[in-house]
Amino acid sequence: QKEVEQNSGPLSVPEGAIASLNCTYSDRGSQSFFWYRQYSGKSPELIMFIYSNGDKEDGRFTAQLNKASQYVSLLIRDSQPSDSATYLCAVNSYGGSNTGKLIFGQGTTLQVKP
Amino acid sequence: DAGITQSPRHKVTETGTPVTLRCHQTENHRYMYWYRQDPGHGLRLIHYSYGVKDTDKGEVSDGYSVSRSKTEDFLLTLESATSSQTSVYFCAIAPGPSSYEQYFGPGTRLTVT
Repeated sequence: QKEVEQNSGPLSVPEGAIASLNCTYSDRGSQSFFWYRQYSGKSPELIMFIYSNGDKEDGRFTAQLNKASQYVSLLIRDSQPSDSATYLCAVNSYGGSNTGKLIFGQGTTLQVKP
Repeated sequence: DAGITQSPRHKVTETGTPVTLRCHQTENHRYMYWYRQDPGHGLRLIHYSYGVKDTDKGEVSDGYSVSRSKTEDFLLTLESATSSQTSVYFCAIAPGPSSYEQYFGPGTRLTVT
């Protein structure tokens, strides 16, 4: 069973701090890694994807990937109350040239306190 | 929501009745997915499609069937709804297979009484 694990939280950080969200995965063949943000009662929204080892930055968000250790993380700098949401980690599971799926973690709830 | 609509957005139905949920996209993406999301289980894949009339099962496909007769529409059918199928159902689309990012529709909240 291919798995993606996240700490469910809640992770509570003060406004302006750095929030660090972590995710581990079991499939060593995974090549693509995604972070989604989901507000309560809404659908998941893609915020970052990363394919290569190292860091990828987009505004206040940085995704970090370490394939050797099989973990991917998301850093949110200068956290704002509007960042309060559940963050879902997703990892691809390759199934052949035309198929394959994303495996989602259960999500980490982030609370940013003013 | 990246040109994705789902209908209905809310539905209450009785145990044993058939239910069809519709996902419609305007992005001309080849791949379409149906997920359900439940507390404690996260997002779980029900079925997906990699082209017109090409579909495959996900991890929780029992009790569900799908059809895709044209690129823009992907239908999810519960042949005989059960209370365990009460959930929020999300459709997602992608331009390619699993290495590509998926974009989600607004969701359908289904309650089976």
